[in-house]
Amino acid sequence: QVQLVESGGGVVQPGGSLRLSCAASGFTFSNFDMHWVRQVPGKGLEWVSFVRYDGSSRDYAESLKGRFTISRDNSKDTLYLQMNSLRAEDTAVYYCAKSCSGGNCYPDSWGQGTLVTVSS
Amino acid sequence: DIVMTQTPLSSPVTLGQPASISCRSSQSLVHSDGNTYLSWLQQRPGQPPRLLIYKISNRFSGVPDRFSGSGAGTDFTLKISRVEAEDVGVYYCMQATQFPLTFGGGTKVEIK
Repeated sequence: QVQLVESGGGVVQPGGSLRLSCAASGFTFSNFDMHWVRQVPGKGLEWVSFVRYDGSSRDYAESLKGRFTISRDNSKDTLYLQMNSLRAEDTAVYYCAKSCSGGNCYPDSWGQGTLVTVSS
Repeated sequence: DIVMTQTPLSSPVTLGQPASISCRSSQSLVHSDGNTYLSWLQQRPGQPPRLLIYKISNRFSGVPDRFSGSGAGTDFTLKISRVEAEDVGVYYCMQATQFPLTFGGGTKVEIK
């Protein structure tokens, strides 16, 4: 079955950087678009970023453009999120999510998440 | 961005009784391909979100048939026909018709 395992979270100072990873298994990773979604503890869900199955297209939440970069390595079945110039308001659990197949699509499977805490 | 508004904020329900959650979008969710990309997610305490319903009314794999979705255009509803203890959690609507994907604020389902 689909498995998505995020890693790379932790405590980082404001202005610092982190790279999150999401290891995928149980499906042909290179065939599926992927998303990152975050959730401030106790709050709602916020979409972060999207990458096409072949990496040819990417999109970001407007407020994150220029600071976050999504990428993927299909040879390693792994999704990444490079986060730079981190701010306190980036503190959240970050989930990777697999998209459904075919045309315009939506997240259909989610990982357990990794917590990022931005604090001095 | 499309704004998703859910009501109620909280829904205390007696076990075995029905529950209903509404979701309204700030604009039509009908995509140019004719589909409406409205999903419902369940998030149990301490767990990641889980897809329940996609494209308004289609149950995802493994989802019990007590969950059903309906609606069109800008108004959508998730119904639980008979609430069970394992249904406790927060439910979110999500639109994927247009980037950025956006979510409702969540509805907490709890047992009375």
